[in-house]
Amino acid sequence: DAGVIQSPRHEVTEMGQEVTLRCKPISGHDYLFWYRQTMMRGLELLIYFNNNVPIDDSGMPEDRFSAKMPNASFSTLKIQPSEPRDSAVYFCASSNGLVYEQYFGPGTRLTVT
Amino acid sequence: DQQVKQNSPSLSVQEGRISILNCDYTNSMFDYFLWYKKYPAEGPTFLISISSIKDKNEDGRFTVFLNKSAKHLSLHIVPSQPGDSAVYFCAASEGNNDMRFGAGTRLTVKP
Repeated sequence: DAGVIQSPRHEVTEMGQEVTLRCKPISGHDYLFWYRQTMMRGLELLIYFNNNVPIDDSGMPEDRFSAKMPNASFSTLKIQPSEPRDSAVYFCASSNGLVYEQYFGPGTRLTVT
Repeated sequence: DQQVKQNSPSLSVQEGRISILNCDYTNSMFDYFLWYKKYPAEGPTFLISISSIKDKNEDGRFTVFLNKSAKHLSLHIVPSQPGDSAVYFCAASEGNNDMRFGAGTRLTVKP
């Protein structure tokens, strides 16, 4: 299996632009998680899905952030409009039945100037 | 609200010595604890875990200790190797709910 795939690996954009991060979970996994890593706060859970349904989005910073999972093999995290404080590494992870057995993707490093 | 805390952002040890990474948590309902390891430009990978019914779990050079009364867990690496240099995240979950991570500790093992 290819593991969790994230794209792009790096994204540089200007403040105010829309940013879309993509994730393909491991085939057969029914949980998908989006995390943000910053120096100050470490690894924060933003939102997670079970069987394509959002279960907990309490970690989403504000309305500028949205996430979708239209099918079992694809999810997006969108930031509109983006701000410099959104600069971070965003990770996607998936698991099969057990929340704590998560497999992480390589991350997307987002820089908003 | 940080339910899982790693108060040491960095740790440096000599090769061959013991590395001890610490983690504290506030939610007494957490029943499963994990350590993840992260190399630069890669996602975190699972290292070792422990259930709340145990106080110790060992896997080769890695041992995790859990002190439920103190809401504290630690990861011991003996002997430490340069390849162990990475960021280590402590994580905890309650049942099959979401997992909460600490901020991470950067371990540097010097040859």
